[in-house]
Amino acid sequence: LAKTTQPISMDSYEGQEVNITCSHNNIATNDYITWYQQFPSQGPRFIIQGYKTKVTNEVASLFIPADRKSSTLSLPRVSLSDTAVYYCLVVGDFGNEKLTFGTGTRLTIIP
Amino acid sequence: GAVVSQHPSWVICKSGTSVKIECRSLDFQATTMFWYRQFPKQSLMLMATSNEGSKATYEQGVEKDKFLINHASLTLSTLTVTSAHPEDSSFYICSAEIISGTSGGRNIQYFGAGTRLSVL
Repeated sequence: LAKTTQPISMDSYEGQEVNITCSHNNIATNDYITWYQQFPSQGPRFIIQGYKTKVTNEVASLFIPADRKSSTLSLPRVSLSDTAVYYCLVVGDFGNEKLTFGTGTRLTIIP
Repeated sequence: GAVVSQHPSWVICKSGTSVKIECRSLDFQATTMFWYRQFPKQSLMLMATSNEGSKATYEQGVEKDKFLINHASLTLSTLTVTSAHPEDSSFYICSAEIISGTSGGRNIQYFGAGTRLSVL
């Protein structure tokens, strides 16, 4: 399983765009990058998944460079409710995939 | 779509009693469900992988006789903490896996809201 590295914490002001970068140098050819969001005392919530270039949904965008050794989760115009821990994971090429959660990035939005 | 319900959300029990936690996939069938444990300010740790109709696969260090897992149907998995002790107090979270379709992507796990267990 490819290990991921991301900043432990980040602060941002309301209304700004927030970019959280994740490093996954040992990503395999068939691996996908998946991001989850977790609020205190709740289970993680799936945000977005991608393989290469750019993926966008109603919540976030995911940018993946050509070498796929890193990825950036972009949250547009954050609000206080975006304060949470964000986890970057690399998902392999088969079912029953175990997810290895790292420390995640604790994002704090400042009013 | 992709809703996973976990019940109860909070339970307090006396030491030595058993507690059952239910995990249901409400709008999809899940051949595979997972059980995690999370201590305060820490990340999720996988306890076991639950497959419908077969025995669960436990991670190293997790006592299978203490944490009984049953996955009797494609929409329900249960975790029973037997003879609970204060050190079992934690936040338990389940997830259910959706198999990726022909459009690509990888299997995505959808999580329940978690169960906070407090053992007195």
